[in-house]
Amino acid sequence: SQQGEEDPQALSIQEGENATMNCSYKTSINNLQWYRQNSGRGLVHLILIRSNEREKHSGRLRVTLDTSKKSSSLLITASRAADTASYFCATHSAGGSYIPTFGRGTSLIVHP
Amino acid sequence: EAGVAQSPRYKIIEKRQSVAFWCNPISGHATLYWYQQILGQGPKLLIQFQNNGVVDDSQLPKDRFSAERLKGVDSTLKIQPAKLEDSAVYLCASSLDSGVGQYFGPGTRLTVL
Repeated sequence: SQQGEEDPQALSIQEGENATMNCSYKTSINNLQWYRQNSGRGLVHLILIRSNEREKHSGRLRVTLDTSKKSSSLLITASRAADTASYFCATHSAGGSYIPTFGRGTSLIVHP
Repeated sequence: EAGVAQSPRYKIIEKRQSVAFWCNPISGHATLYWYQQILGQGPKLLIQFQNNGVVDDSQLPKDRFSAERLKGVDSTLKIQPAKLEDSAVYLCASSLDSGVGQYFGPGTRLTVL
């Protein structure tokens, strides 16, 4: 089974609203990464948060990590129609080789 | 900086035929990944290379899939023979090292009829 699982599977909001999506995982990790995938295109790396970090910001993105709950959240503030995409979390498990594992993704639709 | 290049972008074949995909990673990136992404799902790692050595290929169906990374740069992924369930997008990604952010290519969309 996949390590990371995003929630919700689908999210529909109006432009200007905030969008929050969550990722839960099962085993200890070294880091967790969020990616965006526009329809029919490759994935784009958004942000990496290490296991000893609790929060990171990048522009309108805010990522939190709670290792005690084995969960992470991605917040997109003041969303735009261009943010419409699928968002995936990928985990690198602790110990041994860094083998990335992706979840099924959250499909975000931002209505103009 | 040039991104990850993949070819072809699209491929349609009949079941039991063979197909090969090519990937040219970003210059200097030691780690190269091949993923299979079925519609509506997240990418599933097929094989990960560190330079020209295999780090993980536990999810690669070795009876029909093979991959190589000669000289630690370009890589090819082959399917022989293809099955209907192999219809998917095949993504190649590279990173400076393992465990850091990956740069993805545009993918190859394979349709097996």
